[in-house]
Amino acid sequence: NAGVTQTPKFQVLKTGQSMTLQCAQDMNHNSMYWYRQDPGMGLRLIYYSASEGTTDKGEVPNGYNVSRLNKREFSLRLESAAPSQTSVYFCASSEWTGGRSSSAFFGQGTRLTVV
Amino acid sequence: QKEVEQNSGPLSVPEGAIASLNCTYSDRGSQSFFWYRQYSGKSPELIMFIYSNGDKEDGRFTAQLNKASQYVSLLIRDSQPSDSATYLCAVFMEYGNKLVFGAGTILRVKS
Repeated sequence: NAGVTQTPKFQVLKTGQSMTLQCAQDMNHNSMYWYRQDPGMGLRLIYYSASEGTTDKGEVPNGYNVSRLNKREFSLRLESAAPSQTSVYFCASSEWTGGRSSSAFFGQGTRLTVV
Repeated sequence: QKEVEQNSGPLSVPEGAIASLNCTYSDRGSQSFFWYRQYSGKSPELIMFIYSNGDKEDGRFTAQLNKASQYVSLLIRDSQPSDSATYLCAVFMEYGNKLVFGAGTILRVKS
């Protein structure tokens, strides 16, 4: 049982390059999230998908796009990478109903460096 | 105002003492509250969750929730050096149906 699988684990990009971070969960969760983590700033929400077919902006969406491909998969795309996007990215999933949520399960993280 | 606020610390406690970590949140309609622990370079791992007002105990950990004050806390009894980590408070916001994290509190337990 893999839980949340996130790829790649490490990536170095040049400024202006594009890339897609992939995330898949096998727990049949309805919600999926993308966070970024910078030193001293906790997990900041980039985008999330509360249910299949919907996506919404979080706190720091600029420079990113997402696709909820199906219930299992939620990808994050950087169209034109900038050094300010150097960070650790986490994908997570959870199940919510009636205003309550289960705990979130996390992928292993992607350490992205933009030079 | 941030949706979830924590004191970033670091909070230093001696081994064997009680560590008290605090968190406030903005969405009065929130019903689900979580505490995660994160070691450097690792993914967050769940310690406790709480849905109802009052206390919830699990081993050395106690989560406390006060919805009227929009306040949730985590107590760690008999703190051990292995408890040294960053502790993240997370709240499931009724507005938007999203899970929002605080900035985290760094805890250092000194032997």
